[in-house]
Amino acid sequence: DARVTQTPRHKVTEMGQEVTMRCQPILGHNTVFWYRQTMMQGLELLAYFRNRAPLDDSGMPKDRFSAEMPDATLATLKIQPSEPRDSAVYFCASGPTGVDGYTFGSGTRLTVV
Amino acid sequence: DQQVKQNSPSLSVQEGRISILNCDYTNSMFDYFLWYKKYPAEGPTFLISISSIKDKNEDGRFTVFLNKSAKHLSLHIVPSQPGDSAVYFCAASAGWGTDKLIFGTGTRLQVFP
Repeated sequence: DARVTQTPRHKVTEMGQEVTMRCQPILGHNTVFWYRQTMMQGLELLAYFRNRAPLDDSGMPKDRFSAEMPDATLATLKIQPSEPRDSAVYFCASGPTGVDGYTFGSGTRLTVV
Repeated sequence: DQQVKQNSPSLSVQEGRISILNCDYTNSMFDYFLWYKKYPAEGPTFLISISSIKDKNEDGRFTVFLNKSAKHLSLHIVPSQPGDSAVYFCAASAGWGTDKLIFGTGTRLQVFP
């Protein structure tokens, strides 16, 4: 059963520290997304890639967040420096082209203290 | 601004009865709509979708209705079962050629015996 793998599952860090979240998309999926879940905003799209090229990162705070796909098997989301308001669950999802067939990972729960 | 709105944060329904979850959207360019279900500590999973050329789509106990003039869609679950207890997210896609899904804030459904 193919799945999207996210690491770590949980991360607690101090304000100002760098945080890196990783995602292994499903083999063969050419579109990768990063979402953030908060109580107030629901699932917010932060960035997404197609064939490893960034297509849209308009939802991401540019001064502290960065997203990359070093290769087809790895997507990263980095926050530097982290702030308490970044505390949320971050989801990675992958899919073939088109809006059907997205598969989400189990998420990384980030707590910044 | 929230383009996809789920105004009821929670809903409680007795087992065997109908659950109706509602979703409103503001962007008239949206042409494809989806519902995702999310259990605690897991990522969202796709449930059912509907294209804007239809007004109803049914899959077993789940039916989605779309009212384009009102920019409103709803998910009906009948009969409701305890295993349906989860958070339900409504999502919308803004046209062919885009992979972006815009999600609502979610509705927590509890089905009690």
